[in-house]
Amino acid sequence: QVQLVQSGAEVKKPGASVKVSCKASGYTFTSYYMHWVRQAPGQGLEWMGIINPSGGSTSYAQKFQGRVTMTRDTSTSTVYMELSSLRSEDTAVYYCATNLRETTVTTPFDYWGQGTLVTVSS
Amino acid sequence: DIQMTQSPSTLSASVGDRVTITCRASQSISSWLAWYQQKPGKAPKLLIYKASSLESGVPSRFSGSGSGTEFTLTISSLQPDDFATYYCQQYNSIGTFGQGTKVEIK
Repeated sequence: QVQLVQSGAEVKKPGASVKVSCKASGYTFTSYYMHWVRQAPGQGLEWMGIINPSGGSTSYAQKFQGRVTMTRDTSTSTVYMELSSLRSEDTAVYYCATNLRETTVTTPFDYWGQGTLVTVSS
Repeated sequence: DIQMTQSPSTLSASVGDRVTITCRASQSISSWLAWYQQKPGKAPKLLIYKASSLESGVPSRFSGSGSGTEFTLTISSLQPDDFATYYCQQYNSIGTFGQGTKVEIK
């Protein structure tokens, strides 16, 4: 069955970086785009960016340009999201998400990871 | 960027009620709209895509309608499992979400 399994919770100090992983299984990893979405405590959902696991191309929301890097490892079917220069406002649950019916960039998300809580605190 | 505005932010209702949530886009998105349900501590769950298509396994009491800039999610008869937060998402361009509507027990 399809699974997106994310890495565990992280606690970081302001100014540090965090790298969250999302390991995919149960489908052809390189055929479907992967997105990252975050959710601050008690807040809504915010799209961060997208990676094409096949070629590695990325597109990021303007808000995160220069601070976020998304990469992938096809040998382990894993995508990574690294966010740098962390501040308290980056405290959030970070999700990876994909759509396995469409191979286009713009899709709704029918599969989600379980989420990774990143806490930024001094 | 396309902005999505949901209303209301909070909705108090009773089991058996008919519930309607509205989502407005800042520009036309054709029918490229999805609805999600999220419960505390869980990832969102896709309910509706392409404005009115029911995701597999989702109860038929959920329905979506609309096109262009105005959309609605309707729950025909609210069940205890439906108390949750609902989000719309446009995917005409890379997706942005509404701010959410919390459906709580009246």
